[in-house]
Amino acid sequence: AQRVTQPEKLLSVFKGAPVELKCNYSYSGSPELFWYVQYSRQRLQLLLRHISRESIKGFTADLNKGETSFHLKKPFAQEEDSAMYYCALRFLKKTGNQFYFGTGTSLTVIP
Amino acid sequence: DTEVTQTPKHLVMGMTNKKSLKCEQHMGHRAMYWYKQKAKKPPELMFVYSYEKLSINESVPSRFSPECPNSSLLNLHLHALQPEDSALYLCASSQDWDYNEQFFGPGTRLTVL
Repeated sequence: AQRVTQPEKLLSVFKGAPVELKCNYSYSGSPELFWYVQYSRQRLQLLLRHISRESIKGFTADLNKGETSFHLKKPFAQEEDSAMYYCALRFLKKTGNQFYFGTGTSLTVIP
Repeated sequence: DTEVTQTPKHLVMGMTNKKSLKCEQHMGHRAMYWYKQKAKKPPELMFVYSYEKLSINESVPSRFSPECPNSSLLNLHLHALQPEDSALYLCASSQDWDYNEQFFGPGTRLTVL
């Protein structure tokens, strides 16, 4: 079955420290993976997608098919990075494209 | 207009009531989605509309009835809900149903008494 695992519900780091939010997936086909972020009192929004290989707000994520991972990284955390982060997987079902969110990691950056 | 709007922000209803949630976007997107999000849980996909046709129904009970009257508007009709249906209901849209970027609304907080 398709699955997205984010092992850390809560993660705290100091400002300026590196941060890594873990995401592992299970899917037998060719996955498409995304990171979504939700800042306090704001709506859920796309942070980045693996297919575009871009860096947004200093965050990067590399798809590692061997380890079935799509970890989100930033070399120097900022206070404004404090938010809820969801890893998401898109895959094809008989009925069409499906979209599945992981359980999320709440990141707190300590000043 | 680059936002997805949802009304109402909050809704309290009894188990015998009939109510509707509304979602609107004017970005020209042709795919629209309903998600349900319980407290401290991720959003769960309920329905997908593509070009105003229902393309995915994730085994949602019939007490939830979606409707897409036109490409800008998505409704979710509610009838005979249960207390466990209390949740944040999120609407999203994307340019097409490839989900390359979904734009989310702020959600409607539903409480069923």
